[in-house]
Amino acid sequence: EAQVTQNPRYLITVTGKKLTVTCSQNMNHEYMSWYRQDPGLGLRQIYYSMNVEVTDKGDVPEGYKVSRKEKRNFPLILESPSPNQTSLYFCASSFMGGTGNTIYFGEGSWLTVV
Amino acid sequence: AQSVTQLGSHVSVSEGALVLLRCNYSSSVPPYLFWYVQYPNQGLQLLLKYTSAATLVKGINGFEAEFKKSETSFHLTKPSAHMSDAAEYFCAVGVISNFGNEKLTFGTGTRLTIIP
Repeated sequence: EAQVTQNPRYLITVTGKKLTVTCSQNMNHEYMSWYRQDPGLGLRQIYYSMNVEVTDKGDVPEGYKVSRKEKRNFPLILESPSPNQTSLYFCASSFMGGTGNTIYFGEGSWLTVV
Repeated sequence: AQSVTQLGSHVSVSEGALVLLRCNYSSSVPPYLFWYVQYPNQGLQLLLKYTSAATLVKGINGFEAEFKKSETSFHLTKPSAHMSDAAEYFCAVGVISNFGNEKLTFGTGTRLTIIP
């Protein structure tokens, strides 16, 4: 079954405590990305990756890091979380190229920073 | 740069009534357009997508959308609402960059409520 798997699904953490949200896909997709969803703002892209070792900033990258050492994994790292990073996070993946490739989303990770 | 405007953050319709969710886009290049649905506590699921083929696109669960270039619109419709359609709906515009990566820009979402 085609899947994008995120962990953890729910997390409460304290300001400044480093955390990592993992993302894994089983579809051999080149393209992976992270979004955050906030009320009234829709989904905004944080970072994306076009392939292994190729990453770039999205629209709201401040306070986040990513890495792409393997094709299937694309972890999101919050080095020093702050309360304004409290949000719902989605990982997504798709094939590159072509036209209008379907983007597959994970089920989301609720992050609360206190 | 591209952008998406969804008119109405909340829409309520009676069960069996027409569903109309509005989406207008802006793009400097021919866009790909998508509608995604998000059920409570779930991720986003693709409803339908327009990729420059037929302007009337049929999706899952009885939804369809029509691409109107002259109006820069891609409104989502369903003839008869069902209780199970209650969800949040996102319109998105996608463009392929010179590097081959697909950039999706989402609207702010419309929460659809179905009245029994």
